[in-house]
Amino acid sequence: DAKTTQPTSMDCAEGRAANLPCNHSTISGNEYVYWYRQIHSQGPQYIIHGLKNNETNEMASLIITEDRKSSTLILPHATLRDTAVYYCIVRVASNSGYALNFGKGTSLLVTP
Amino acid sequence: DAMVIQNPRYQVTQFGKPVTLSCSQTLNHNVMYWYQQKSSQAPKLLFHYYDKDFNNEADTPDNFQSRRPNTSFCFLDIRSPGLGDAAMYLCATSRGLEVGEETQYFGPGTRLLVL
Repeated sequence: DAKTTQPTSMDCAEGRAANLPCNHSTISGNEYVYWYRQIHSQGPQYIIHGLKNNETNEMASLIITEDRKSSTLILPHATLRDTAVYYCIVRVASNSGYALNFGKGTSLLVTP
Repeated sequence: DAMVIQNPRYQVTQFGKPVTLSCSQTLNHNVMYWYQQKSSQAPKLLFHYYDKDFNNEADTPDNFQSRRPNTSFCFLDIRSPGLGDAAMYLCATSRGLEVGEETQYFGPGTRLLVL
């Protein structure tokens, strides 16, 4: 199972782009990279996912390196409401289904 | 709006007294999941249902059971809660388990306190 490595915490000024890195050097060819976030005292929220091409939606952009060993989640204009723990997850198959292995995530603090 | 609903948001129970947490969904998704999240930790999958097919994670204690009487509802039963079972319990759903279907949508969680 591919593991992910993320910085423990990051700061970002409101209105600026937040770039959250993730390393997944052991990712296999058919594994997707997912990003979820969890705002304090709420359930996790899906953000975006990708395989090898860069992806963009209304929430964020996902940049995956050509060798797929790392990726970056970009929040183009961070707001105070984006303060949350961001989880980079490589989709794994558990022995009974498909578990999201959340890992430790990056705690993003957006400051005024 | 289609959503995942968990009631109650906060539940207090006594040590050893059975408790049931509820989850419902209006997304008509095939898969429903239960996660446990302890303080300052990441969510951990307990089990999931694909339709009526129950799948237990290998390390989920026997104290935790689940029921899914229909597509919309799923229950988490804790037969004899211990102090270590105090946590946030998160329900999630997905359309399926295959690529393109497996994005999970979470409810707000139920925070369980064991006295």
